[in-house]
Amino acid sequence: AQTVTQSQPEMSVQEAETVTLSCTYDTSESDYYLFWYKQPPSRQMILVIRQEAYKQQNATENRFSVNFQKAAKSFSLKISDSQLGDAAMYFCAYRTVSGGGADGLTFGKGTHLIIQP
Amino acid sequence: NAGVTQTPKFQVLKTGQSMTLQCAQDMNHEYMSWYRQDPGMGLRLIHYSVGAGITDQGEVPNGYNVSRSTTEDFPLRLLSAAPSQTSVYFCASRGGQYNSPLHFGNGTRLTVT
Repeated sequence: AQTVTQSQPEMSVQEAETVTLSCTYDTSESDYYLFWYKQPPSRQMILVIRQEAYKQQNATENRFSVNFQKAAKSFSLKISDSQLGDAAMYFCAYRTVSGGGADGLTFGKGTHLIIQP
Repeated sequence: NAGVTQTPKFQVLKTGQSMTLQCAQDMNHEYMSWYRQDPGMGLRLIHYSVGAGITDQGEVPNGYNVSRSTTEDFPLRLLSAAPSQTSVYFCASRGGQYNSPLHFGNGTRLTVT
């Protein structure tokens, strides 16, 4: 079974600065998908960014980008120009493409991001 | 543009009571799923469905039942609530391709006393 590890329970960054959230995963598969979700205090789960393992190029979405290191099984999220609205829990998640098993997402335990004004 | 709708938003049950958490989506998604979120645990998959009439167990299925009679609805049933089922429950759906992201409902906070 796949596992996802977020080693930083909490991170703090000054507004307008850059912060990187780490995520590592364990899998024996060669093809899969990785996601970052944001959960603000409203409890809503919001997709931030996704990466397909067979793509070498790192995904970017405006101020959000990832550093995908397939060999190291690492998938970190970089947030540039941090804004107060970025304060939230961030979850890294893995999805298999094998078609078997639960076919759901395996989530890490989350990183609580605090933005200091 | 409702997306995934969950009801109720909050619920308090006594041990042994039963209830159904409702989930509906209007995106014609084949895949639907239920997760529970506990402090420090992330989200864990309870049950999922890949289409009407098809359901299967996830990581933590014990104590929960599901059915999928239509594409739109995927209710989660607690037959005899236990304090260990106190959690926040999320319903989610996605399109058929593997790179399709999950669309989540706004969650139900359930407390079992």
